[in-house]
Amino acid sequence: QSVLTQPPSVSAAPGQKVTISCSGSSSNIGNNFVSWYQHFPGAAPKLLIYDNYKRPSGIPDRFSGSKSGTSATLGITGLLTGDEADYYCGTWDSRLNVVVFGGGTKLTVL
Amino acid sequence: QVTLRESGPALVKPTQTLTLTCTFSGFSLRPSGMCVGWIRQPPGKALEWLARIDWDDDKFYNTSLKPRLTIAKDTSKNQVVLTMTNVDSVDTATYYCARADMGSYGSGSPFDIWGQGTMVTVSS
Repeated sequence: QSVLTQPPSVSAAPGQKVTISCSGSSSNIGNNFVSWYQHFPGAAPKLLIYDNYKRPSGIPDRFSGSKSGTSATLGITGLLTGDEADYYCGTWDSRLNVVVFGGGTKLTVL
Repeated sequence: QVTLRESGPALVKPTQTLTLTCTFSGFSLRPSGMCVGWIRQPPGKALEWLARIDWDDDKFYNTSLKPRLTIAKDTSKNQVVLTMTNVDSVDTATYYCARADMGSYGSGSPFDIWGQGTMVTVSS
């Protein structure tokens, strides 16, 4: 059971927009920055979003992040079939002094 | 260019100790804020954070696995080693090491560069 809660799966058509939620608590999301990762099977996870909404160099602006209270959201616009992957949220938990991840969300682009 | 590479045995017997090495280049663990962590993914399951070691030798562990884990760094060799004692079949997973540059990012410990991972199977 993951500390952060994500929907197991989301789907949308090519060109559409999708959002993935990540719910936590005051000790993690509520008081720390959230990151998002994209993970293709057999590959290394890639950092998509850090500090709630910032994008590392090379990440297209189709990917966006936001945070409100103890929840965070990843948004992906202009969906491509190549976006089909697993997406994870992560942050620090100040009460436990550990890194926590969500259970992952499988994105299907229909 | 920042790279990390995991190495270790592909097969380990139950009850044995697993030792994994992360060899990195393009950065050092000396500067304030630099950290390296270990994360694993069992087949068909989610990412699970295991441990992190910081530039100042602070160490943090997954709460449930803490009794079995030890993380250490060799700054001169640019390596971080993770040992896991008394392994079991549930420890079968792909193990990743990744960099967290706390000096550049906020408090969420984002892992910005990951290794390709090494698959470890626990079986007799």
